[in-house]
Order: sequence, then structure tokens, then C-alpha cells
Amino acid sequence: KNEVEQSPQNLTAQEGEFITINCSYSVGISALHWLQQHPGGGIVSLFMLSSGKKKHGRLIATINIQEKHSSLHITASHPRDSAVYICAVHAGGTSYGKLTFGQGTILTVHP
Amino acid sequence: GAVVSQHPSRVICKSGTSVKIECRSLDFQATTMFWYRQFPKQSLMLMATSNEGSKATYEQGVEKDKFLINHASLTLSTLTVTSAHPEDSSFYICSARLGAGSYNEQFFGPGTRLTVL
Repeated sequence: KNEVEQSPQNLTAQEGEFITINCSYSVGISALHWLQQHPGGGIVSLFMLSSGKKKHGRLIATINIQEKHSSLHITASHPRDSAVYICAVHAGGTSYGKLTFGQGTILTVHP
Repeated sequence: GAVVSQHPSRVICKSGTSVKIECRSLDFQATTMFWYRQFPKQSLMLMATSNEGSKATYEQGVEKDKFLINHASLTLSTLTVTSAHPEDSSFYICSARLGAGSYNEQFFGPGTRLTVL
């Protein structure tokens, strides 16, 4: 079992739908990242959070440290949101700054 | 936000040659840079952690003599794939950490796609 598990692995939605991607982890962490990777390969850091909730535009990220779970929500989804979304954690006690990655969630939003 | 660049974005080379990939933090100083490798439809795999002015720390299973990392300044790290072989074909991504804390935010480069013929 991977230390970081994402669900679903693949997600298809119609434009305008509310989307949720989940991330569960099995190790103690100091922070969690949500990353977005477009088909060209470049990665953008969407959020880094260690508690509570963060919001940026149509994106919302939440984390529950006790339950070792985080969610990424996209409101009013759009085809340009189509990408791979990756959850990554800074595990407590590991090498400075080292990230452990989930396998990614492939999101496709149809017009 | 902080910007990280990589050069080249794409490279095709013959088997046996060496390829150098540059990673630059454009508007901030990065004490630590990370090099990742990504195979198709797989997630990122950390290859090594690069600290300015010191030797890189390689992950288990990564050959340090095969993948040479140099972090000569606070804004530049290079990865050299020596004597490249077709199995080295992959997508290589670097990231740079802003700040000195153990979990300060990382900014990722756009990646370099290496194809070895």
C-alpha cells in the first residue's frame, strides 16, 4: 500500500460540475501539497497546507490532520481544468523538504 | 509567484552521449533543489536532493555516477545524464525550495523530455 493514496484515479465531468478529489496518507506529515500537471508536463503548485482550508478562485483545499485526509474541490469546472492533479506530502521526520507523491488523478472536463 | 526554468525543454540524443539539463530559480535563491523523474502515466519519483555548495543526496537505487548533479550557485542546479541509454528516456523535472524550513513551498520547473535513440 502506497503512503499516499488518491481517489478517484480517473474522473470525467461535464462543464460546470462540482469536483472533489481525495487524498489519504498513512504517515505523519508536516504539510501537504496539491499540484496540477497539464498534458505538456509542467507542474504548478496549487496549494500547500498543514491545517484547515485554503481557497483560490474556484479551487478549495481542505485537510484533516487527525483523519490523515485532504480534499481538493473545483467549483464550476471548466474544460481548462482538465489535467492531472497530484497530492504530495512532506512526511515528518524524513529528509528536509522531501515529498512523497500520490499516483495522481486524471481529470477530464467536457464542454 | 516564484519561477523555475529548465533548459532544454526537449532533447533527443544518441545512445552513449551525455546530456546536461539546467534548472534555474529566476527570481529567488534556492538553497535546495530537487530532481525528479517521471515515466509515462506514473507519478514523480525523487532522484536526488541538491544543496548549494555540497554533494547531492541520491535516493536509493539512483546511480550517482550515472546522474551527475551540480549545484554551483543558489539559482542553478544541473543534472547530467552520462552515457545515456534508451532506458534513460524519461521526463525530468526539477523543483526549487523557497526558504529554509523543512516544508517550505516548492516551485516546479516545466520539465525536460529526454529521448535517447
